[in-house]
Amino acid sequence: GDSVTQMEGPVTLSEEAFLTINCTYTATGYPSLFWYVQYPGEGLQLLLKATKADDKGSNKGFEATYRKETTSFHLEKGSVQVSDSAVYFCALSSGSARQLTFGSGTQLTVLP
Amino acid sequence: EAGVTQFPSHSVIEKGQTVTLRCDPISGHDNLYWYRRVMGKEIKFLLHFVKESKQDESGMPNNRFLAERTGGTYSTLKVQPAELEDSGVYFCASSQDPHRISPLHFGNGTRLTVT
Repeated sequence: GDSVTQMEGPVTLSEEAFLTINCTYTATGYPSLFWYVQYPGEGLQLLLKATKADDKGSNKGFEATYRKETTSFHLEKGSVQVSDSAVYFCALSSGSARQLTFGSGTQLTVLP
Repeated sequence: EAGVTQFPSHSVIEKGQTVTLRCDPISGHDNLYWYRRVMGKEIKFLLHFVKESKQDESGMPNNRFLAERTGGTYSTLKVQPAELEDSGVYFCASSQDPHRISPLHFGNGTRLTVT
């Protein structure tokens, strides 16, 4: 079945540091890939998505590129801020599935 | 536009008791989903409603869980009787179209603790 493996946390960075959160997947066919973010006390929000190979999703300075050859969708940001502290979830949907398969989440803490 | 609302936000119950979680989706959203995150692990799909019909309930863990969506508006998820392993955060999400086209809108979740 489908699965998502993402980098174990927690991750702690200083403000303005470079961020990478790794995500790899196993799926049938050609899945759509997503990053969701959960800020403290809030629900999950879609951060970015990519629907086909080599697509780059981007939002709020975050980027992720759909790499079919390595089955990866790593999240990156060049300069993190304290306000980026949150839990980040990689997810996919494949085939005719109307559901998301999530990774285990990565807790990011950014220190001033 | 009001977002997806869930209540209660927290619930602490004893093993063997019954708990009912409620989700109010965004008005007009036909698709409603329940997900669960247990013990800080991955978020897992429970079930999917299209209007009042259960489209997919393959993720429901066992028959102690009962989900309803009468009238195709709000939904409830009842756990009866609750067990320790049911502790976790239960998320509800809604979308107007299948989520591959439009994004899912999530509620803040209900944190359930079974003691």
